[in-house]
Amino acid sequence: QSALTQPASVSGSPGQSITISCTGTSSDVGSYNLVSWYQQHPGKAPKLMIYEGSKRPSGVSNRFSGSKSGNTASLTISGLQAEDEADYYCCSYAGSSTPVVFGGGTKLTVL
Amino acid sequence: QVQLVQSGAEVKKPGASVKVSCKASGYTFTSYYMHWVRQAPGQGLEWMGIINPSGGSTSYAQKFQGRVTMTRDTSTSTVYMELSSLRSEDTAVYYCARSVDSSSSDYWGQGTLVTVSS
Repeated sequence: QSALTQPASVSGSPGQSITISCTGTSSDVGSYNLVSWYQQHPGKAPKLMIYEGSKRPSGVSNRFSGSKSGNTASLTISGLQAEDEADYYCCSYAGSSTPVVFGGGTKLTVL
Repeated sequence: QVQLVQSGAEVKKPGASVKVSCKASGYTFTSYYMHWVRQAPGQGLEWMGIINPSGGSTSYAQKFQGRVTMTRDTSTSTVYMELSSLRSEDTAVYYCARSVDSSSSDYWGQGTLVTVSS
């Protein structure tokens, strides 16, 4: 069982917006503004899409945005495109004893 | 440009150890911590630990305490992850990843498949 809870799958049509949730606890997501999101295509290494809750690395489309409310972080993808179909993982800092925890991953299908 | 190049695939027997390397280039090696993350076939990402290449300090996930050792060689800008007492459940792709902040990583190695089989 993963430390952070994500839906197993989400889907949307091209052009639509989708949101992937990531629920943690007051010991991780709720305590730190250090949630990140990764995109992973089959057979590839993960790619950082969002860090520190809502910041986008250089080169990442502004269609990707991150937010947080309480113990739940969210990744929103607007204007869905076929190439967005991938697995998405959230990640959070969780304190000095176990610094990093991941979510179980969400498979995004673009219909 | 930043590159993390990992060593090649390994096949090990249960009970053995494996040592995976990750050679960094394109940036100041000692300025960024390095994470190790693994992914079992068809499964999610699992954080294993982190090393500070500057001083060599480490922090490991509780699950791997006593079985994992992360080291670095500043002369070659290489970090290493050694996992001992291997079992079939350790079959996975192992990634090194450069740390941006306390938990996120902006550059990842290509991954090293470690297969544990008798």
